[in-house]
Amino acid sequence: DVQMTQSPSNLAASPGESVSINCKASKSISKYLAWYQQKPGKANKLLIYSGSTLQSGTPSRFSGSGSGTDFTLTIRNLDPEDFGLYYCQQHNEYPLTFGSGTKLEIK
Amino acid sequence: EVQLQESGPGLVKPSQSLSLSCFVTGYSITRSYRWNWIRKFPGNKLEWMGYINSAGSANYNPSLKSRISITRDTSKNQFFLQVNSVTTEDTATYYCARSGDYGYTFDYWGQGVMVTVSS
Repeated sequence: DVQMTQSPSNLAASPGESVSINCKASKSISKYLAWYQQKPGKANKLLIYSGSTLQSGTPSRFSGSGSGTDFTLTIRNLDPEDFGLYYCQQHNEYPLTFGSGTKLEIK
Repeated sequence: EVQLQESGPGLVKPSQSLSLSCFVTGYSITRSYRWNWIRKFPGNKLEWMGYINSAGSANYNPSLKSRISITRDTSKNQFFLQVNSVTTEDTATYYCARSGDYGYTFDYWGQGVMVTVSS
């Protein structure tokens, strides 16, 4: 299985700031990395797939980069709605696997 | 709009079977896509468990293959998860989600149902 190592586990930032979350795969997954947002009481939301392609409805302040084994999710100009739990997921091969999550909190 | 809703018992005894349902509205599960089960353990780890595709074929995570079954009722547009011989390690929030036949990302999710395995 492809192991996904996500960092940091926790992140605190203020509205208006920029943050980055990293995800490292145990082997090359080409460009096939997705990012999700999870918030209490809401369905999980697919933000980005194939490394950098924004899912319909994802605000342009979100961006994804990387290929091979190293990927980054960047959120610019943080909005209060952006705070929550973020996961990466490799979608290159089965079994599909996820990172351990990053909790983004308000500072 | 596509919506998924999980249902099932919140408490299961060790060694018994866990059975959950996912009711889908807004899209026929026989038309296309893959219909998945994913779980989130205490501590936030996510695990993909398996899917059933629009033709009715299932594919499972090898780590669970001997213990799980995913089936469907096309007349009710529902699919199901059964996990046999559960232990406390199966305590988790269980989600159903839709993924593409080629893209393997999850574009619609249910809100999840918490299941505790305890005597």
